[in-house]
Amino acid sequence: GAVVSQHPSWVICKSGTSVKIECRSLDFQATTMFWYRQFPKQSLMLMATSNEGSKATYEQGVEKDKFLINHASLTLSTLTVTSAHPEDSSFYICSARRTGGSNEKLFFGSGTQLSVL
Amino acid sequence: GENVEQHPSTLSVQEGDSAVIKCTYSDSASNYFPWYKQELGKGPQLIIDIRSNVGEKKDQRIAVTLNKTAKHFSLHITETQPEDSAVYFCAASVGSNYQLIWGAGTKLIIKP
Repeated sequence: GAVVSQHPSWVICKSGTSVKIECRSLDFQATTMFWYRQFPKQSLMLMATSNEGSKATYEQGVEKDKFLINHASLTLSTLTVTSAHPEDSSFYICSARRTGGSNEKLFFGSGTQLSVL
Repeated sequence: GENVEQHPSTLSVQEGDSAVIKCTYSDSASNYFPWYKQELGKGPQLIIDIRSNVGEKKDQRIAVTLNKTAKHFSLHITETQPEDSAVYFCAASVGSNYQLIWGAGTKLIIKP
């Protein structure tokens, strides 16, 4: 399958600092990427849809000023958690949409475990 | 809006036996149904998917069936192996935006 690279895989930060997570599609161009959040033993919760060259679309209840998304190229989207607090601690996962008719699929990164102290 | 229900939440099978996980969806316009395997601390891995114009798809030990009339789809894993142990998620999407609606997940345990 296609490869989506997500970095870092884990990060520990102090409360009040900002953290940037990168998501790259390595072998295909992705006009659309998605950012998810997952709590332990739960399903994935969609946070926002990121479209290359335009503003992200956020799901209800997700603060766009807190979770900044940038999709500046066809292979890179970033999520910045600004002024992180302990309640932002979670597993964040990105996915990239590979277009192409019947080959159109969503591939996921390996996730980032964020711990805010 | 779309809602996806997944059962069972936990499934324990003997190594070598088959495992079946079932999902139902509510929106008859849903047209894409992927299955993902997630291991602890990792992102979901696409293992098989099916589109609404197909009733069944198979890839080695893994198969997916879709019943559009009943609005349910199932994952079948045959000859289970220890490395099949993981959490499996079904999902459904409507149209071409690929905003997936997820099932709650099934923890599959393969007993040696």
